[in-house]
Amino acid sequence: QVQLQESGPGLVKPSETLSLTCTVSGGSISSGGYYWSWIRQPPGKGLEWIAYIYYSGSANYNSSLKSRVTISVDTSKNQLSLKLTSVTAADTAVYYCARNSGNSPAYFIDYWGQGTLVTVSS
Amino acid sequence: SSELTQDPAVSVALGQTVRITCQGDSLRSYYASWYQQKPGQAPVLVIYGKNNRPSGIPDRFSGSNSGNTASLTITGAQAEDEADYYCNSRGGVVFGGGTKLTVL
Repeated sequence: QVQLQESGPGLVKPSETLSLTCTVSGGSISSGGYYWSWIRQPPGKGLEWIAYIYYSGSANYNSSLKSRVTISVDTSKNQLSLKLTSVTAADTAVYYCARNSGNSPAYFIDYWGQGTLVTVSS
Repeated sequence: SSELTQDPAVSVALGQTVRITCQGDSLRSYYASWYQQKPGQAPVLVIYGKNNRPSGIPDRFSGSNSGNTASLTITGAQAEDEADYYCNSRGGVVFGGGTKLTVL
């Protein structure tokens, strides 16, 4: 059973950088076949995909966030990370890491972390 | 604005059938996947591909696809099905705005 666990500061000041880590257990990121995503959900709102990455480091970003986001993977630690720069109150959200599975034309997200709330406030 | 359009809210009487729809051009190329989210919890995959249910998802959940529209049907809705439902497509990079399902 694959498990994902997000970790990082719950409070970030405006204009600073949000940094989160997701630790994967029960499966190896480097085994391939899956993409690994960050997804967020502002309080009371819907889900927004942020970015995904393959174990090789190949990544894809949401165009609306691309200039501020970096996703990376550390296969030795079986972790993926997210950095979001120049945060504002609009970046306050629950941040989820997740595993993308499937093949074209049927993709799906089969495992999610429990999510971590990040609040942007001074 | 979302590239996948869902009705914001839908209600169904206990034991009746409800259909939740998702519209978008990407659905002509990709199947939708559907997620159930209850308050304070992470989303859970309920339908993917043509009409596949992960292990543990009741068979009252089913999916269908036609043109630019994907549908999630709950046949015989139960009180525990009350939740937000999200569709997702285009390789996982776009979500619908979500539908809040109320079971009356």
